[in-house]
Parts: sequence; structure tokens; C-alpha cells
Amino acid sequence: EAEVAQSPRYKITEKSQAVAFWCDPISGHATLYWYRQILGQGPELLVQFQDESVVDDSQLPKDRFSAERLKGVDSTLKIQPAELGDSAMYLCASSLDGGGTEAFFGQGTRLTVV
Amino acid sequence: KQEVTQIPAALSVPEGENLVLNCSFTDSAIYNLQWFRQDPGKGLTSLLLIQSSQREQTSGRLNASLDKSSGRSTLYIAASQPGDSATYLCAVIFTGGGNKLTFGTGTQLKVEL
Repeated sequence: EAEVAQSPRYKITEKSQAVAFWCDPISGHATLYWYRQILGQGPELLVQFQDESVVDDSQLPKDRFSAERLKGVDSTLKIQPAELGDSAMYLCASSLDGGGTEAFFGQGTRLTVV
Repeated sequence: KQEVTQIPAALSVPEGENLVLNCSFTDSAIYNLQWFRQDPGKGLTSLLLIQSSQREQTSGRLNASLDKSSGRSTLYIAASQPGDSATYLCAVIFTGGGNKLTFGTGTQLKVEL
């Protein structure tokens, strides 16, 4: 069964260091989302891609976060420098074309900043 | 502001009980609503997707309903089992919201033996 792949599953990093997460969506899915979930809360959108283009990054802290999806397939989310408040679950999701189609999530990356 | 709310935040029921989880949203102009399950420390598993033109969807012991005019959805779980223990999240794609999923904060369900 097709699934969204994310790596790593867990990451511990020191504050001020750089960290990167990778996501491979379901084959053929044009829309890719990165969400951040703080413990006990619902996920919140960081960035949304349609193919290789960013369609929504209004909630992405652009001074330290960057995201790319160069060939419209897999994607990388980077944080530099990491801060203690970045500790959270980072979730990647994909859907066939965004509006109206089912979204599928990966297993997430649990980031701990110490 | 387009928001999604889930009440209660936590629910505990005995095994075998039928239960209903609630989701409300502030704007009736939606593309769809999706229910997810999340186990501790894991990602989200899609349970049911209801399009804006639909009233309900069923999968096994799960039934989700949608009432756009009142801004509400319910997830009905029949004959609950300990394995149903998880956090249940609903997410809405609002029209004019850029095709992003807007999530509630979830209901943490515990089914006790």
C-alpha cells in the first residue's frame, strides 16, 4: 500500500544547530504539506506545495525555516538555527490535488531541541 | 476566522459502548471534512473523508456525518474496543482557505476493559 515516507523518525539536536527533515509523498500526489504539531494540540500548517511551487507559507518562520520541493516530488524542511521552542512533531502529508481529495500523512519526525 | 473545535478534549468509556465524537467548524463553505486517528507518538491515519455534498460516510464500525448548515460533524464508533483508544482529530478544508487542512485539537479517547 502506498504511503508517505518521512525520515528520520526521531531527532535530538542542540539549540543553534541545523536540522533537516525529508518527506517522500505518495507517487503522483501533486500537493504536499508540512505540518507542526505541539504536544496536546492539533497540527498547524507550515508550508504547502502544489507540485514544486509554494502555495502557502504564511505560517512558516522564514527567518529560520526553509522548505523546498525541487522536482515536485520529495521535499526537505530545514531549521537553522534550531530553538528550544521548535521541539514538536513534524508531519508531512500529501494529496492528489489538494482541495476535495483525501490527505495521507507520514509517521512524522519527533524533534527534541536541547 | 476559520476554526475547528472538538469537544470534549478527553473521553473515557467502557468497552462495548457506542460513542460519538464531535467536531464543529465556523464556516459552512467547505470542500470536505476528514477524520483522523493518531496513536501516541505516531502520525495520522485517515479514517473517513466526507465531501461537502455528502451527508455521511461509513467504514466498518465507524460512521461520520456532516451537517454543513450547522457547522457540525460527528464520528460515531460502534461497540468500542480497547484498540480504539487513541486521539481522534477532525480537519476541514475551507473553500477560499487555500486547500489546507485546518485541524481541531482532538479528542483523546480511552476505552477501558
